[in-house]
Amino acid sequence: QSALTQPASVSGSPGQSITISCSGTSSDVGGYNYVSWYQHHPGKAPKLIIFDVSNRPSGVSIRFSGSKSGNTASLTISGLQVEDEADYYCTSYTSKTTLEIFGGGTKLTVL
Amino acid sequence: EVQLVESGGGLVQPGGSLRLSCSASGFTFSNYALHWVRQAPGRGLEYVSAISRNGDRTYYADSVRGRFTISRDDSGNTLYLQMSSLRGEDTAVYFCAAWHSSSSFWGQGTLVTVSS
Repeated sequence: QSALTQPASVSGSPGQSITISCSGTSSDVGGYNYVSWYQHHPGKAPKLIIFDVSNRPSGVSIRFSGSKSGNTASLTISGLQVEDEADYYCTSYTSKTTLEIFGGGTKLTVL
Repeated sequence: EVQLVESGGGLVQPGGSLRLSCSASGFTFSNYALHWVRQAPGRGLEYVSAISRNGDRTYYADSVRGRFTISRDDSGNTLYLQMSSLRGEDTAVYFCAAWHSSSSFWGQGTLVTVSS
């Protein structure tokens, strides 16, 4: 059960840019500007990299950017680095439960 | 310093029960909705359950609804997850988390293994 849809995997070479999509509905992604993105290296605690669609927490690289169009949010990572290889998850507020929901996750491979 | 510390994990037989606890410090606990997220071996993160700031709303993944119960004790800054009728597929590291806007706090996780 993943209410938000993400591609299972994406890949890119060092220095390139990639974009990960996160598709929802008007009840979540499309209806509110409460989309967040997490970077997760297995075995570690997930790290918040984008909140409220396009904002970066303090200390997060400017190479990470977020956007939204309609019911789809996107995470773009520019100037890919080897250490960016991780799993990425989107979350969104949803009016269906008035809480938040996760995407299924996207595995980023830096070739 | 913000800390979230999970406890209560361990080995349990199929059909058994466990109660996970998450003790929080370093932030205003009552201001946050709280969450349980798990990661099965070799799998991605799975959102398990959530509870609103005042505890009046809860959310459960379909895979655990009817078997797991989330609760919170704001006086003790503790989040709970009561798990019953456990199955092999519930085997995972369970993380507790709190997040709002630019703030995001996670524990290190507690391992639950369901096996005979």
